[in-house]
Amino acid sequence: TQLLEQSPQFLSIQEGENLTVYCNSSSVFSSLQWYRQEPGEGPVLLVTVVTGGEVKKLKRLTFQFGDARKDSSLHITAAQPGDTGLYLCAGHYGGSQGNLIFGKGTKLSVKP
Amino acid sequence: GAGVSQSPRYKVAKRGQDVALRCDPISGHVSLFWYQQALGQGPEFLTYFQNEAQLDKSGLPSDRFFAERPEGSVSTLKIQRTQQEDSAVYLCASGWTRYNEQFFGPGTRLTVL
Repeated sequence: TQLLEQSPQFLSIQEGENLTVYCNSSSVFSSLQWYRQEPGEGPVLLVTVVTGGEVKKLKRLTFQFGDARKDSSLHITAAQPGDTGLYLCAGHYGGSQGNLIFGKGTKLSVKP
Repeated sequence: GAGVSQSPRYKVAKRGQDVALRCDPISGHVSLFWYQQALGQGPEFLTYFQNEAQLDKSGLPSDRFFAERPEGSVSTLKIQRTQQEDSAVYLCASGWTRYNEQFFGPGTRLTVL
């Protein structure tokens, strides 16, 4: 059983469309992070959310942490081909002993 | 600008061979992590170092996996008697503390034939 479930697993859209990807868990996380990983590279941190209900914006990307700190979403407005990549959520929770737990990721493809 | 570097970037091994994967963290970073990322999966924690001390090795899948960081900087992940199921990308990350941002290297893609 995956502790962090991400959906959808794959997403293929046209340039200019909006999209939302989700990260859900039955456990409470002290913090959640979103990473983007491109082929042949390591993940790169986009944002960290720590407070329930927190919303953070990074240009066209909006991140939200659920009130109960069990879920998070990433919304991209007017997607561009440069947004293509694997989006991973990861977090620390009480049972992880300080280790970062990752979801399987959402593979996003934005076509021009 | 020195990020985290890993070598080799690609490694092909025959089943049963030993391999050694190297990680050069960002200078001064105290924390160093190793992850295994199988195809289509997110990274999975293997082990954690604080300086030269290996404080957590709970993620190492078997006793064939061994990691060291003898001087608190460069780290090596060694896999003995490689098996096909060891095929994956091995990622190294470093950071100032265990809970702060982790900076990832590009990974080593290991293929065991």
